[in-house]
Amino acid sequence: EVQLVQSGAEVKKPGESLKISCKGSGYSFANYWIGWVRQMPGKGLEWMGIIYPGDSDTRYSPSFQGQVTISADKSISTAYLQWSLKASDTAIYYCARVRGITFTIDYWGQGTQVTVSS
Amino acid sequence: IVLTQSPGTLSLSPGQRATLSCRASYRVPSDYVAWYLQKPGQAPRLLIYGASTRATGVPDRFSGSGSGTDFTLSISRLEPEDFAVYYCQQYGTSLIFTFGQGTKLEIK
Repeated sequence: EVQLVQSGAEVKKPGESLKISCKGSGYSFANYWIGWVRQMPGKGLEWMGIIYPGDSDTRYSPSFQGQVTISADKSISTAYLQWSLKASDTAIYYCARVRGITFTIDYWGQGTQVTVSS
Repeated sequence: IVLTQSPGTLSLSPGQRATLSCRASYRVPSDYVAWYLQKPGQAPRLLIYGASTRATGVPDRFSGSGSGTDFTLSISRLEPEDFAVYYCQQYGTSLIFTFGQGTKLEIK
């Protein structure tokens, strides 16, 4: 069974750094793109970026380029999202697996709630 | 590409048919269009990919259609568990994905 399990909820202050994780299992982690999606409170889904764990090829949405860093460690089947926090970063962050030729997002992690407050 | 979903909110009763629209700002290959359902407190779930192919386990009351710039998700007979938010999504070049703003399907 394909699973993406994300790290737990975080409460942080503005200016602090955060790295959240997404561990894949039940499939060949290195061979599927992993994307990150932000959902702010009561809002829709925003694409942040994507990484191919096999060779760490990474692409960012223009809206998030330079604001976040996506990485992966294929040896432990884990992808990461890292950034310096602003108060407006309060949101749920999802990782998601992207499947092959049609670039379909077929599996999602459970989401990591990040709360940023002074 | 900008994806515009309509209506923003759709109020229907169980047993009725729902039709949700997704319009792209310019032509999108059908292979790269998908629909997701999100229930409160849950992650999105894949319903339709390639504009018209149901994902594994998705009931056949869900169907997708469309091409070019106009895509549609239809639900033939609404069940209570279908009331949720629906997002369309397209894959563009350079591994950039775009989501519509969502349609909330609520019980009338």
